[in-house]
Amino acid sequence: GQNIDQPTEMTATEGAIVQINCTYQTSGFNGLFWYQQHAGEAPTFLSYNVLDGLEEKGRFSSFLSRSKGYSYLLLKELQMKDSASYLCAVMDSNYQLIWGAGTKLIIKP
Amino acid sequence: ETGVTQTPRHLVMGMTNKKSLKCEQHLGHNAMYWYKQSAKKPLELMFVYNFKEQTENNSVPSRFSPECPNSSHLFLHLHTLQPEDSALYLCASSQELAGAIGTQYFGPGTRLLVL
Repeated sequence: GQNIDQPTEMTATEGAIVQINCTYQTSGFNGLFWYQQHAGEAPTFLSYNVLDGLEEKGRFSSFLSRSKGYSYLLLKELQMKDSASYLCAVMDSNYQLIWGAGTKLIIKP
Repeated sequence: ETGVTQTPRHLVMGMTNKKSLKCEQHLGHNAMYWYKQSAKKPLELMFVYNFKEQTENNSVPSRFSPECPNSSHLFLHLHTLQPEDSALYLCASSQELAGAIGTQYFGPGTRLLVL
């Protein structure tokens, strides 16, 4: 079966750095997406990786290793507004997104 | 504000009611999706439409009936729902189905409670 694993919850301190990991087993691979979802709101797109390596976008970076079935989202200079759930999703061979259950990130002052 | 809108934002219905959820996208996209989001569970894909044609139906019970009259509008018709159908229903759209241009943009969702 297809599976996406990510930690259920993480806690970090304002101003610090946090890394949210995602491992996947899917039938085929056509890219990996990260989304941010604040409580009661829609998921919003953060990043897309299809090739191995690091993609940097401001305070957020996303890394992919296809051989290891692994990705991480790195958040730097954490702000209180970064408290949210972070969703990892992989596009499989049928171009469907397979979603993880999300990582709830709690930022403390 | 995203380019995908959904109405209503909140809905309470009895098990014998019939209601419809509406989604509209202003992004010029060709694909539209319905998802169900339950607490602490992954997003569940329900239906996919590409150029108004349904391309995916993920074994969704017949009490959920989608309709896509054009590439900008998507409806989800609900009838004789069960309490376990209570969830957040999200609509999304993407330019195409695959790759980077398959990036999905979500509406705010309809919070549904079935009594």
